[in-house]
Parts: sequence; structure tokens; C-alpha cells
Amino acid sequence: GQQVMQIPQYQHVQEGEDFTTYCNSSTTLSNIQWYKQRPGGHPVFLIQLVKSGEVKKQKRLTFQFGEAKKNSSLHITATQTTDVGTYFCPNFGNEKLTFGTGTRLTIIP
Amino acid sequence: GAGVSQSPSNKVTEKGKDVELRCDPISGHTALYWYRQSLGQGLEFLIYFQGNSAPDKSGLPSDRFSAERTGGSVSTLTIQRTQQEDSAVYLCASSLARKGAFILAKNIQYFGAGTRLSVL
Repeated sequence: GQQVMQIPQYQHVQEGEDFTTYCNSSTTLSNIQWYKQRPGGHPVFLIQLVKSGEVKKQKRLTFQFGEAKKNSSLHITATQTTDVGTYFCPNFGNEKLTFGTGTRLTIIP
Repeated sequence: GAGVSQSPSNKVTEKGKDVELRCDPISGHTALYWYRQSLGQGLEFLIYFQGNSAPDKSGLPSDRFSAERTGGSVSTLTIQRTQQEDSAVYLCASSLARKGAFILAKNIQYFGAGTRLSVL
């Protein structure tokens, strides 16, 4: 299975600053998914990356999958208060997808 | 249904009582997960159902926790003799994933709104 470590665990940024979270694996990943959980809410699927070197954008969010398919990043440009929440890249192993601690983003207005 | 439905949305119980939490997955989804999320923490995997296969119970924290899935659809998570440390939000998710066939798009998980359990 795929074991993915996510860093940082917490990130505090001033509104308008950029933010990046990383997911790293020691083994090649077949794919990677990203989810967002707003405070008080439940995780919601954002995107899935499959191809080596793939880059996808959703407005101010840029998702990248490494050339070696061992890492991925989510970059948010010019953060806004609506970006607050926890971002997850779940692990796939033993034929199931499981979530870990994610990266919690807080915005300082 | 249109989405994953969980009930009740909130449950307050006394220490030592049993509770049942219900999850109604999206129609046709074969995979169903239960997670626990304590305040300010990540998602803790509890149990995974996949079709008619034996469930993966590797995440259940103690023998007070059990879950079943009847008819491959609705699932019930039961916590016996509740303790204060059981207080958390219990989240259910479902997906189209099938055993032995990891089709990428079908492994997207759809979550319910959760049940907030408070043990007094």
C-alpha cells in the first residue's frame, strides 16, 4: 500500500499570503487525492492526480504530482478566510483509502 | 439518496450507556467507512466494509466498538458502555470502490455530516 506523510501539521498565515502543504511517500503512488474539511464540517473531495508531473488548478489552488509520483503539493495563492480548514491527502493501503491528520490552515485576518 | 446520511446528528448520553449511530450511504456504493474525529484532531479510521467481504475492523479501539452493515447498505456503529473519551464526531463515508479493482475515480469518498457524540 501507499503510506503518505503530510507536512506541515499546522500552518498559520496572514490573509493574502500564500500557503503550501506537501504529501510525501517513500514508494511510488498510483494516484493521489486531496480533500478539504472546513471547521465544523466534513471532508470534501477536491481533486485527484494520476499522471507523473501533473498540475491542476482550481482558481487560487494549484495541485502538483511529482515526476517520480512520490510526492504531491497543494499551493494556495493569496489566501482568503474561506481557505481556512484542514487539507488531507489520504493513504491507500490494504485496498482501502484512509485519512490521517492532514494540514490545518488558519488565517490571520 | 442524494448523499450520505447520518443519524442522529447529535447524541448526548451518560457514561456507561450504549449508543447506536446510523449511516445511510449513497445508493450503489459498495464501500463504507467509519471514522472518529476528536476535537481539533485528524480522522481516525475505525472500520471498513467492502461489498460482501469480511469487514476490516483493524481501527476499532476496543471491543466496546462494533459495526454491522445490513444488506450491503445501511450501517450501524455501536458503542457499548460509553466512556467520556468516546466523545467525538463520528463520520461515515462511502465510495464506489470494489474489492480487487482499484478504479481511481471510484475511490472518491463521500462523507456524511457526522454524529457528534457527547458522553457525560
